[in-house]
Amino acid sequence: DTAVSQTPKYLVTQMGNDKSIKCEQNLGHDTMYWYKQDSKKFLKIMFSYNNKELIINETVPNRFSPKSPDKAHLNLHINSLELGDSAVYFCASSQHDRGQGGYTFGSGTRLTVV
Amino acid sequence: AQTVTQSQPEMSVQEAETVTLSCTYDTSESDYYLFWYKQPPSRQMILVIRQEAYKQQNATENRFSVNFQKAAKSFSLKISDSQLGDAAMYFCAYKGGSEKLVFGKGTKLTVNP
Repeated sequence: DTAVSQTPKYLVTQMGNDKSIKCEQNLGHDTMYWYKQDSKKFLKIMFSYNNKELIINETVPNRFSPKSPDKAHLNLHINSLELGDSAVYFCASSQHDRGQGGYTFGSGTRLTVV
Repeated sequence: AQTVTQSQPEMSVQEAETVTLSCTYDTSESDYYLFWYKQPPSRQMILVIRQEAYKQQNATENRFSVNFQKAAKSFSLKISDSQLGDAAMYFCAYKGGSEKLVFGKGTKLTVNP
């Protein structure tokens, strides 16, 4: 059983399109995250949800919209894709009151915008 | 804002030898957690080891251990008896009260047979 699963693993799309990445966790965690890893491997947080409530919203273009239908799911929708959006996007989860726990990451979605 | 610095973009080690990866961080918080993550070519992020700042004892996990120097804000990772499977990107990360995991830029470790 995969703890944090993301779909799709690879996504190739044209500029201007709209796409979504889905994430599900079966760990019972109450907090979920989206991270972006750029071409230089730098990981930066984009969003975080705790029990369906947005708690972290970094400086991200408003073309990116997270949606959390329940605490086990956090999806990322991207409108009007640009070349610079090409990256690996990681979903992760953690339990808020268990501060010593690190995050559990999904396997990432490699997005390529052409 | 907290920052994490990994000053070694790349490191290499001979199989069976020991290597130390450096990490420093900047924070004004007194209670926080530090982590090392491994990212092999498969790109999966794997938690290697964690350290609570209030614990003076350095964390160890089999061949992996840390040297945590709180006053110096230093958190290095030592890999003993290096194996070919240890080759990966290693990321140091900080988590304070904001729930946000802040990463360093990573160190690429090569293990030579």
